[in-house]
Amino acid sequence: AQTVTQSQPEMSVQEAETVTLSCTYDTSENNYYLFWYKQPPSRQMILVIRQEAYKQQNATENRFSVNFQKAAKSFSLKISDSQLGDTAMYFCAFMNPRDNSGGGADGLTFGKGTHLIIQP
Amino acid sequence: NAGVTQTPKFQVLKTGQSMTLQCAQDMNHNSMYWYRQDPGMGLRLIYYSASEGTTDKGEVPNGYNVSRLNKREFSLRLESAAPSQTSVYFCATSTQGNTEAFFGQGTRLTVV
Repeated sequence: AQTVTQSQPEMSVQEAETVTLSCTYDTSENNYYLFWYKQPPSRQMILVIRQEAYKQQNATENRFSVNFQKAAKSFSLKISDSQLGDTAMYFCAFMNPRDNSGGGADGLTFGKGTHLIIQP
Repeated sequence: NAGVTQTPKFQVLKTGQSMTLQCAQDMNHNSMYWYRQDPGMGLRLIYYSASEGTTDKGEVPNGYNVSRLNKREFSLRLESAAPSQTSVYFCATSTQGNTEAFFGQGTRLTVV
């Protein structure tokens, strides 16, 4: 079974600063997907960024980028030029892709989350 | 195109009451999931359904039952609600090949 660990329960930075959220995971699989989800007070789960394990290049989405270290099983999220609207819970998650037979483990495995607060 | 729709958004139950949380998707996805979210615990998988007619237990299935009525709908039933089931419940679907998941807006359930 997979496990996902987020070691920072809460972080606080000033607006416009850069912040990095940590995530480590444990799996015996070689091919998988990693995600960062944002959950604002509205509780909607919003996909921030996605990384395929077979891709060496780190994913980027505007101000959001990841540092994916497969050997170390580390998947950190960097938010540049942080904005007040970035205040939210952030969850790291792991998913196994389904194999060609339609089998394979199902569902996302989540970390416990990091509460990020952007101060004005 | 509504995506994943959950009903209701909020619910208060008394201990011992029963209720069904409904989830419907219009994304034509085979896989559907029910998660619960508790403070400090992240989201944990209750049950999932890889395709119409199949369901499997997740990490925390005790006290729940599910029904995959058809490809679109996946319901979660609490037969005898307990205060420990106070939580926020999310329904989700995933793409063919399990490469991305999509979530409903969540149901906040309080059992008193």
